[in-house]
Order: sequence, then C-alpha cells, then structure tokens
Amino acid sequence: DGGITQSPKYLFRKEGQNVTLSCEQNLNHDAMYWYRQDPGQGLRLIYYSQIVNDFQKGDIAEGYSVSREKKESFPLTVTSAQKNPTAFYLCASSIRKPATNEKLFFGSGTQLSVL
Amino acid sequence: DAKTTQPPSMDCAEGRAANLPCNHSTISGNEYVYWYRQIHSQGPQYIIHGLKNNETNEMASLIITEDRKSSTLILPHATLRDTAVYYCIVSRSGGGADGLTFGKGTHLIIQP
Repeated sequence: DGGITQSPKYLFRKEGQNVTLSCEQNLNHDAMYWYRQDPGQGLRLIYYSQIVNDFQKGDIAEGYSVSREKKESFPLTVTSAQKNPTAFYLCASSIRKPATNEKLFFGSGTQLSVL
Repeated sequence: DAKTTQPPSMDCAEGRAANLPCNHSTISGNEYVYWYRQIHSQGPQYIIHGLKNNETNEMASLIITEDRKSSTLILPHATLRDTAVYYCIVSRSGGGADGLTFGKGTHLIIQP
C-alpha cells in the first residue's frame, strides 16, 4: 500500500539528548513536510523540502534539523537546543506540480515526550 | 494565505447532516478553500477543496457562497466515526510550495 510511514509511534527523550524521528514515503512525492502539534492546538510547520538535497525552514525551525538525501525519506532531528520538545510530530508529503492544487498526505504521527 | 474563522466545537446527532461553517472574508481570487479532518492521535486527512463552485465527493459536499467569503462543509449522514477536528484552510496552491497553515479547527462530536 502506498503511504507515509512514521516511526516510532512513541519516543522518549532525556535531557540534553538528540533524537531522530523517521518519515518514509512510497508515493513518489517530491515535497515533504514536518509539522508540530501541541495539545488542543493547530499544526505548525517546522521544515519542508521541495526536492532532494534542499529544504527550507518553516515557522518554528529553531532547535530542529532535517536532511533530504533521498526522495522517499525526510528524517527530523530534535536537538538538545529545543527546550520544549514534548509534542505530536506529523510528517506529510505532496506532489509538486506547478499551478495545480495539491493535497497533503500525512503519516500517523510520533508522540515525543521528555523524561 | 487568507485567515479562516471556525467555531471551536459543534455537536450533531448520528444519522443527521453535519454542517460545518467557515468564514474567510479576506480570501483572494486565486485562493482555494480546503477541508481536512483529524481523528484523535492520527494525521489529518484531506476531505475536499473548491474555488467557487460547489463540490461533492464520496466523503462530503462543499458549499461556497457567491462572494466566496464563507463556506460550509456538509457531511450528509454523520456517523460516530466522523467525530474529529475539522480544519478549514484557504490556500493558493494547497500546500505545494510551503505547506498549509492549520488553525485550531472545529471539534465535531457526533452523538449516538
């Protein structure tokens, strides 16, 4: 089945530790995104990538890093500089066709908690 | 992208039509109206989108007013599985270049 796979479903981080959230898609989509969601809130864009080896900061990129070495993979690292990392993290992808309407396809999310 | 306003929560009886309103008074001519929904602890799911004509698919109908300043998402026969947060988003491209902006949405609760 085509889709977006996020792992793990639940992740715990110790103080001062970096953790990496995985996002893989087999939809052959060019664009990928990372969002953060806090309880009762909407989604906020962390980073996005329109093409391999290129990515841009979203609204809340501080304390996070990403890489896009392969089209199907867009891992997110939550660094120790992110002081409030507890949140629900969502990965999404979309086809990049200029001047068309695109839908976002989301993974099932990773809940990150600080020990 | 234009800003949207949605009620924070709504109730609907199972089997009845659920009508979810959205105001987007600052929408511009080339912006589309998108609807997504998010079931608890899952990723959002695309429902429908439209520019100025009413749209219908297997999930829902979208009614956009003639002046395009508001719209209504209609779930014709709501079931308990339709309980979710529904997001109304206005965007030129649907995400493509730089993602979509998701507000707090409307928490729709379907009552048995």
